[in-house]
Amino acid sequence: KAGVTQTPRYLIKTRGQQVTLSCSPISGHRSVSWYQQTPGQGLQFLFEYFSETQRNKGNFPGRFSGRQFSNSRSEMNVSTLELGDSALYLCASSLKLAGHYEQYFGPGTRLTVT
Amino acid sequence: AQSVSQHNHHVILSEAASLELGCNYSYGGTVNLFWYVQYPGQHLQLLLKYFSGDPLVKGIKGFEAEFIKSKFSFNLRKPSVQWSDTAEYFCAVSQNRDDKIIFGKGTRLHILP
Repeated sequence: KAGVTQTPRYLIKTRGQQVTLSCSPISGHRSVSWYQQTPGQGLQFLFEYFSETQRNKGNFPGRFSGRQFSNSRSEMNVSTLELGDSALYLCASSLKLAGHYEQYFGPGTRLTVT
Repeated sequence: AQSVSQHNHHVILSEAASLELGCNYSYGGTVNLFWYVQYPGQHLQLLLKYFSGDPLVKGIKGFEAEFIKSKFSFNLRKPSVQWSDTAEYFCAVSQNRDDKIIFGKGTRLHILP
């Protein structure tokens, strides 16, 4: 099976712009979670989608949004970019095994805001 | 709110030394516990997980972790580290039947050859 794929892998944007990142989960996985990874802060949970519905949300401002399509692919959008949004954005898809979820991570999208 | 604390931000060891990375979580209910590893330039990957049963969990590459419920801890251990273990290690916790996984801030492990 192909792993989780994320596009683009690298992105450079300027302050004030908006950006859309894409994630394709492993085939058959219906849950997709997004994380922001920065040095010293580790992985911070953004949100999780299951069957096109946002099921969980982290503590990020409304500039961060996401959605999931019927084929389980997910996108996240960041509007009005700030320098502090520079980070590695990770997507993880989940498979439920014997009642418990196990996450598989993609390679991430490295976003640099200048 | 749930939180995960990893005590050491940066650990430096020589090859063949023993390793223990600390992890404590704040949630008092039923939890699922994970250790993930991120090797330089690679994806985050699962090292081991605890859902229920034997509190001593064995993972890949000789790693193990012990769940001590009374201490809210899930420390990662390896008896003899190798240079190839150089990586960043993340402890994570989720509530039972909830897909939201909360990560610690990570521990950078550097093994001297």
